[in-house]
Amino acid sequence: KQEVTQIPAALSVPEGENLVLNCSFTDSAIYNLQWFRQDPGKGLTSLLLIQSSQREQTSGRLNASLDKSSGRSTLYIAASQPGDSATYLCAVEEPGSYQLTFGKGTKLSVIP
Amino acid sequence: EAGVTQFPSHSVIEKGQTVTLRCDPISGHDNLYWYRRVMGKEIKFLLHFVKESKQDESGMPNNRFLAERTGGTYSTLKVQPAELEDSGVYFCASSQDLVAVYEQYFGPGTRLTVT
Repeated sequence: KQEVTQIPAALSVPEGENLVLNCSFTDSAIYNLQWFRQDPGKGLTSLLLIQSSQREQTSGRLNASLDKSSGRSTLYIAASQPGDSATYLCAVEEPGSYQLTFGKGTKLSVIP
Repeated sequence: EAGVTQFPSHSVIEKGQTVTLRCDPISGHDNLYWYRRVMGKEIKFLLHFVKESKQDESGMPNNRFLAERTGGTYSTLKVQPAELEDSGVYFCASSQDLVAVYEQYFGPGTRLTVT
């Protein structure tokens, strides 16, 4: 049974700092991995999707990497801003199953 | 393009009552999913529709939960009778039926409180 772990559970950084969020999964046979952002009281916003054949994806100040063999993904946020404050969720999809398995998320606070 | 919408945004009901949640997916998306997050836990999959057919309902907790997607458009999730442990946030998501990539787009969720 696939399990997804996100460390740390919460992170507080000063504005302008670069940061890395971690995600690990127990079964490396994944189809893809998605990073989401959730603002308080809101739904999930898809940030990046990495297919199993890819090593990384970039969107603006965000860069997500995937190392399937070690069961790890990282989300790198450059030059953090207060508007980046949110909970970041990692989810994996396994082959033959459309369902996503989520981690509990990392709550990020960027201090002005 | 409108995103995934859900109604209501919040529902408070008493134990034993019935509640129906509604989800409208992004237009043209054949795949529709229901997930929920109970307090302190991670978001968990409930079920997946392809058009009007249930593709995978392995995550449905018990037979008090009934999901339908008549006509392959919007979907409803009925909880009858509701129990205290059903409280949580219910998310709906949809995705296109592309060859290789099935990025899921989520709605804002319905917060269900059973008292």
